[in-house]
Amino acid sequence: DQQVKQNSPSLSVQEGRISILNCDYTNSMFDYFLWYKKYPAEGPTFLISISSIKDKNEDGRFTVFLNKSAKHLSLHIVPSQPGDSAVYFCAAGNLGNKLVFGAGTILRVKS
Amino acid sequence: NAGVTQTPKFRVLKTGQSMTLLCAQDMNHEYMYWYRQDPGMGLRLIHYSVGEGTTAKGEVPDGYNVSRLKKQNFLLGLESAAPSQTSVYFCASSLTDMNTEAFFGQGTRLTVV
Repeated sequence: DQQVKQNSPSLSVQEGRISILNCDYTNSMFDYFLWYKKYPAEGPTFLISISSIKDKNEDGRFTVFLNKSAKHLSLHIVPSQPGDSAVYFCAAGNLGNKLVFGAGTILRVKS
Repeated sequence: NAGVTQTPKFRVLKTGQSMTLLCAQDMNHEYMYWYRQDPGMGLRLIHYSVGEGTTAKGEVPDGYNVSRLKKQNFLLGLESAAPSQTSVYFCASSLTDMNTEAFFGQGTRLTVV
């Protein structure tokens, strides 16, 4: 039973355009959501997070949106750059409990 | 700035052999974790530790043991390796709980034949 789902295994975007990565969750108790980025042969690196008391968090080119009623979050990258090509993992958790990761989405930004 | 260092980076084991994966962090973090990554499965938590001398089970703990004798080190042991344990293993650490930024090592690719 996957509590965190990233339904798009891959996404291809032209350089300079917007990349939108989606994540759905089933557990309404989750109140923290994080995005990690992973390059080949490296460990994941933290990108951005959001708590359930917010519906948007921005950090430079990266914005995460949270829709609690739909149990959905998305990561927007604007503008997309070739260096953004990586695997993106969505993760969700609540205080004192284990973080649950999605299966990841491969983003390819074409120049 | 080493961050989180995993040893070894690659290993091939025969079924039934044992081995220990070492994770070291130099950020004075309290929390440390071991994950495995399999195709289509994302990252799954094996065991974790909330401080020196403590360990706890994660989502997929069977077949693994861990120890945290020193704050900076977190060891993952496989007593009798099985082909189902072929995976990429990641160690991570965080200052406080799991819902804050975690720093990951570069991974250990383990193949059990």
